[in-house]
Amino acid sequence: DAMVIQNPRYQVTQFGKPVTLSCSQTLNHNVMYWYQQKSSQAPKLLFHYYDKDFNNEADTPDNFQSRRPNTSFCFLDIRSPGLGDAAMYLCATSSGTSGGNEQFFGPGTRLTVL
Amino acid sequence: GNSVTQMEGPVTLSEEAFLTINCTYTATGYPSLFWYVQYPGEGLQLLLKATKADDKGSNKGFEATYRKETTSFHLEKGSVQVSDSAVYFCALSATDSWGKLQFGAGTQVVVTP
Repeated sequence: DAMVIQNPRYQVTQFGKPVTLSCSQTLNHNVMYWYQQKSSQAPKLLFHYYDKDFNNEADTPDNFQSRRPNTSFCFLDIRSPGLGDAAMYLCATSSGTSGGNEQFFGPGTRLTVL
Repeated sequence: GNSVTQMEGPVTLSEEAFLTINCTYTATGYPSLFWYVQYPGEGLQLLLKATKADDKGSNKGFEATYRKETTSFHLEKGSVQVSDSAVYFCALSATDSWGKLQFGAGTQVVVTP
């Protein structure tokens, strides 16, 4: 089945130690999104790619970076994780950017910062 | 700016009860409206959507109608099951927003046998 895959499902890192989360998709979608979801809150968009064009949300901290080496893969890099970065990170894809397009979500990676 | 407001949870119901989750929005133009569901430990799944006024989205017994006059998109199900226990998010995608979703805070629904 076509899907969005996130690895790992659970990631533990230490305060200040860089961490990379990965997302892959078999849907061949042009658009990929990264969201941060803290406990009992709504997902918050960090950035998105349209093909290789990167779009950062204005309030996304500089500590968060992203790479998209090809259509299928997208990575979220947290350069120096703080305790406040502990959250579920969700990757999503979409076939286009018109308002009615559905986003397909992966299962998420839960990040713990010690 | 754009925003979505939905009723706070948790909402606790008995099996076969009627479910309503209110959702109202603020946006310019004609946004697309969505309901996503998140089961424990999982990502979000699209439940239904509507892209223009008076459209009704429906799926798995759930329905919601895009009401432009009241800027609302309330979710309803006539008879819930234990398996409907989840967190439900109302969301909008504004015109010319690159498909970005603006989510409400989410409503947890707990259905007991």
